[in-house]
Amino acid sequence: EDQVTQSPEALRLQEGESSSLNCSYTVSGLRGLFWYRQDPGKGPEFLFTLYSAGEEKEKERLKATLTKKESFLHITAPKPEDSATYLCAALGGTSYGKLTFGQGTILTVHP
Amino acid sequence: GAGVSQSPRYKVAKRGQDVALRCDPISGHVSLFWYQQALGQGPEFLTYFQNEAQLDKSGLPSDRFFAERPEGSVSTLKIQRTQQEDSAVYLCASSRTGGSNEKLFFGSGTQLSVL
Repeated sequence: EDQVTQSPEALRLQEGESSSLNCSYTVSGLRGLFWYRQDPGKGPEFLFTLYSAGEEKEKERLKATLTKKESFLHITAPKPEDSATYLCAALGGTSYGKLTFGQGTILTVHP
Repeated sequence: GAGVSQSPRYKVAKRGQDVALRCDPISGHVSLFWYQQALGQGPEFLTYFQNEAQLDKSGLPSDRFFAERPEGSVSTLKIQRTQQEDSAVYLCASSRTGGSNEKLFFGSGTQLSVL
């Protein structure tokens, strides 16, 4: 069974204090590792897809990286508007289109 | 439309009632997904449609849950004889093609509370 675990569950940062979120996965035949952002009362919003170990993608203050067992979401000099829940999800080879999500990391950035 | 639209936004049901949740995907999107999100958890897969065909319903928790997409656009998730454990946010998502590793566009969800 595919499994995705995120840590920490919650992270509080001061504005400008860089950090990383972790996503560990156990998936048969990984076909994609996704990062989504979710604001309160909203659905998840797509950030990145990573397909193979060693791949990196960046968007503004966010950078996502992928190894064979983990993915990291690095946040550089965060701002209060980066506060949200960040979800990691894996697409395995055993079923079509079915994402397995982690429980999320709640990020709070204080001014 | 501009995005995935779900209705109602909130639904309160008495235990044992039937409910129907609606999803309007982005126009022209081939794939449609339903996910269930409990408080403080990540979304969990329920079912997947490609056009009108339901290709995967392995995540539906029981035979009280039923989903349809008869014309390949709007979808309805129906829950019969609701139970308290059905309380959750039900998210609908769509993607442009049938490609399995495409990004999903999510609606804001329907928050179901069963009393």
